[in-house]
Amino acid sequence: QKEVEQNSGPLSVPEGAIASLNCTYSDRGSQSFFWYRQYSGKSPELIMSIYSNGDKEDGRFTAQLNKASQYVSLLIRDSQPSDSATYLCAVNSDSWGKFQFGAGTQVVVTP
Amino acid sequence: DAGVTQSPTHLIKTRGQQVTLRCSPKSGHDTVSWYQQALGQGPQFIFQYYEEEERQRGNFPDRFSGHQFPNYSSELNVNALLLGDSALYLCASSLPTDTQYFGPGTRLTVL
Repeated sequence: QKEVEQNSGPLSVPEGAIASLNCTYSDRGSQSFFWYRQYSGKSPELIMSIYSNGDKEDGRFTAQLNKASQYVSLLIRDSQPSDSATYLCAVNSDSWGKFQFGAGTQVVVTP
Repeated sequence: DAGVTQSPTHLIKTRGQQVTLRCSPKSGHDTVSWYQQALGQGPQFIFQYYEEEERQRGNFPDRFSGHQFPNYSSELNVNALLLGDSALYLCASSLPTDTQYFGPGTRLTVL
C-alpha cells in the first residue's frame, strides 16, 4: 500500500467551475500536510499547508483535513486555464521533515 | 531575497559515471532535503541534511551520498550511474521540520 495516494486523473474541469482533489495517507501519526502545484517540466511550488482538522482558505484555494478519516483535500474555486497543472499532496509523517508525496493529480481546465 | 537555487539545470551522463549536483538554500533556511522525481511520479525522498549531517535517509542505495557545507549549501553525489537514475533531482530548503520550498531542479539524463 502506498503511503500517500491520489487519483492520477486527468481531472477535466470547465473554466469557472470548482476542482476537487483528494488525497489519503496511511500513517495515522502524520501531523502536517501540504499541497504543491507542478507545471510540466517545472519544480513543485507550495500552494498551502494545513495542520489542524477543518478547512483552511487562501484565495481561490481551500484545503480540508480530516485526520480521523486520514484524508486531505484541495478545492480550487473559479478554476482558470492557468490552474492546469499536476497537484501533489505531501505528508510529513515524522518530526524531521521527511515528506511523503503522492503521485499527483493532473488537472486540465478547459475554456 | 533569493530563493532556492540549483545547478546545473541539465546534465547528460553515461552509465557508470559519477555526478555532483549542487543546491543553495533560501536565505534563512538551514535544512536541505533532496528528492528524486521520475517522470509521472511524485518526488521520492533521498535524504536530508541539517547542521552538516545527514539526518534522515530514504530508500536509496549507498551510491547516493551528500554533503552540507557550513553556509548550508549542499551537494548530492551519485556514483556508478544507472539508466534508472535518469530523473529530475529536486532540492528543498526549510527550517527544521518546517515547510519545504523547492528549487528549480536538475534534469539528469543517463545514456
